[in-house]
Amino acid sequence: DVKVTQSSRYLVKRTGEKVFLECVQDMDHENMFWYRQDPGLGLRLIYFSYDVKMKEKGDIPEGYSVSREKKERFSLILESASTNQTSMYLCASSPPLTLSGNTIYFGEGSWLTVV
Amino acid sequence: TQLLEQSPQFLSIQEGENLTVYCNSSSVFSSLQWYRQEPGEGPVLLVTVVTGGEVKKLKRLTFQFGDARKDSSLHITAAQPGDTGLYLCASRGGTSYGKLTFGQGTILTVHP
Repeated sequence: DVKVTQSSRYLVKRTGEKVFLECVQDMDHENMFWYRQDPGLGLRLIYFSYDVKMKEKGDIPEGYSVSREKKERFSLILESASTNQTSMYLCASSPPLTLSGNTIYFGEGSWLTVV
Repeated sequence: TQLLEQSPQFLSIQEGENLTVYCNSSSVFSSLQWYRQEPGEGPVLLVTVVTGGEVKKLKRLTFQFGDARKDSSLHITAAQPGDTGLYLCASRGGTSYGKLTFGQGTILTVHP
């Protein structure tokens, strides 16, 4: 069965802390993504990666960085957490796109609260 | 980045009623996907539409892709409480990365 696993479901961090959100997929997918989800805004892409050590900025990369040292693992880093980064974070993976549109598989999400 | 406008944002109906959710863009979709998300879980793909005018059915759900590929709709017949959730349309980019751009979502509540 397809699996995207996010290591932490619920986190509470203090303003200014460094935060790591980890994501692992077991499908040998090339593409991995980090989204954040906020009410009324849908899902917004933070960063994505199409290969090991490769990364591209999404629509809202400010305040975030990512790391992809191994194909199966994609980490999201908040260098100095702020309260406006309180959100639900979703990791996803997919194989390369085909015309018919490959499925993107999502993890269950990580709820981050910054106080 | 392609902008997707989804409507309505909220929908509260009684079991047995029909409903339609809309997804529109000012530019042409290369392909469009519909996802459903339940509380505490990630989105799950329902369908992908690629061809203008395409209609796909998934049990009581009917998905339509506009002829000009700039709009899509999701119609649910005889809604059930189990249909409750967040429905999201998303467009995949044309590169091999295929990053998704999402609409704001429609929160559907079906009351017994």
